[in-house]
Amino acid sequence: GAVVSQHPSRVICKSGTSVKIECRSLDFQATTMFWYRQFPKQSLMLMATSNEGSKATYEQGVEKDKFLINHASLTLSTLTVTSAHPEDSSFYICRAGTDYGYTFGSGTRLTVV
Amino acid sequence: AQTVTQSQPEMSVQEAETVTLSCTYDTSESDYYLFWYKQPPSRQMILVIRQEAYKQQNATENRFSVNFQKAAKSFSLKISDSQLGDAAMYFCAYRRDLRDMRFGAGTRLTVKP
Repeated sequence: GAVVSQHPSRVICKSGTSVKIECRSLDFQATTMFWYRQFPKQSLMLMATSNEGSKATYEQGVEKDKFLINHASLTLSTLTVTSAHPEDSSFYICRAGTDYGYTFGSGTRLTVV
Repeated sequence: AQTVTQSQPEMSVQEAETVTLSCTYDTSESDYYLFWYKQPPSRQMILVIRQEAYKQQNATENRFSVNFQKAAKSFSLKISDSQLGDAAMYFCAYRRDLRDMRFGAGTRLTVKP
């Protein structure tokens, strides 16, 4: 079955620094990747949708300058949290696929200290 | 806007017994997809079952089955012969198109030995 890898699984960074999260489809080409954010004991909230080779589409209320998304190839999308603050601490999860189906990544727990 | 409501924040079931998780949704569309995802402590999102709205027959996957009531906009999940490994957060989700996947708030299922 389709496998989507996310890296790192856990990251701790200092306030004010930037951190990059990778979402990689291992055995298929993903034309579309979605990025979600999940606060503790809450549901997944869609942050943005990225299509290979084009700019990401952000959901209302998500700062595109703070959460930079790059979908440079059919197998890799990256989410960069810039100038991270403690309130950015959360679980970030990607979902990648095509019209035939989508698979969630394993998620990244970000802690900003 | 489409919304998904899970009215049971927590549910508990005795091992080997049956439990039903509720989900309702709001939409004006006639063609869409509904999903139940399981999220164990590892936070990996695992697809449990999927239902196409145009299909009248309820989807089943081994011990998991749904009761899809399109007119009532209801999509409940029944877990039969509950096992300890079924303990997790369960999310109901609605998808109309590639971008618009909405999740409910989740139901935490506890399985008692």
